[in-house]
Amino acid sequence: ETGVTQTPRHLVMGMTNKKSLKCEQHLGHNAMYWYKQSAKKPLELMFVYSLEERVENNSVPSRFSPECPNSSHLFLHLHTLQPEDSALYLCASSQSTGMGETDTQYFGPGTRLTVL
Amino acid sequence: DQQVKQNSPSLSVQEGRISILNCDYTNSMFDYFLWYKKYPAEGPTFLISISSIKDKNEDGRFTVFLNKSAKHLSLHIVPSQPGDSAVYFCAASAGNEKLTFGTGTRLTIIP
Repeated sequence: ETGVTQTPRHLVMGMTNKKSLKCEQHLGHNAMYWYKQSAKKPLELMFVYSLEERVENNSVPSRFSPECPNSSHLFLHLHTLQPEDSALYLCASSQSTGMGETDTQYFGPGTRLTVL
Repeated sequence: DQQVKQNSPSLSVQEGRISILNCDYTNSMFDYFLWYKKYPAEGPTFLISISSIKDKNEDGRFTVFLNKSAKHLSLHIVPSQPGDSAVYFCAASAGNEKLTFGTGTRLTIIP
C-alpha cells in the first residue's frame, strides 16, 4: 500500500449505530487530518493531529471522536449520528502542520458515509 | 462567511484549448494558495501552489497566477487534455493556519 488509505470506502449506518472510520498513511508524515466534504460546500477541516497529539478541533460535535494511536493511523469514531452528517469524510497527512511548500497535504480516497 | 470562493461550479473546454479556473478570496492575511484536483471516488490530489511573494508559478501545462490587489487567483491549463476533466479546488492559508477550501469547479474537457 502506498500513500494514504481509508477504510471502509462506503458506510451506511443508522442513527443509533457506532462505527469507526480508519485512515493509514504510508508516507512517513507526522501530521494527519480529518475533513468533511458535503455536497456543494467547501471542504471542512474537522481535526488535526501532530505527532499523535490533537492540535485542532474545529468545533466538531462530540458524536465525532478522533483517535490517533500512532503517527501512521487515524480513526474517526462515530456514534448517534444525524442524517445531516452524511458526507464524504477525507483523511489527509502532511510532513508537518506548517503551510509551507514542504507541508502539502496528501489525501486519501475518502469514506462515503450515509446516515439513515 | 466563505473566505475562498469559486463562483463557477462548472466549466467546459475543448481539448487543446486553454482552461482557466478562477478563485477569489476575502481574507487579506492569506499568504499561501494551492490548487487540488479531484477525480470521482478519489481524494483531492495536490496540483500546484503559490506563495504571496510571487505572482506566477508554472509547472508544465499548469500555471497559477496571483493578483493580490484583486484577491484573485487563477489556474491555467494549456493545452487541455481529456484527463484534466475533474473537480478543481482552490485552497488558501494564512501563516501556519489551516487550509480553507473553495467549493470546487467541475472541469469537463470535450474531445
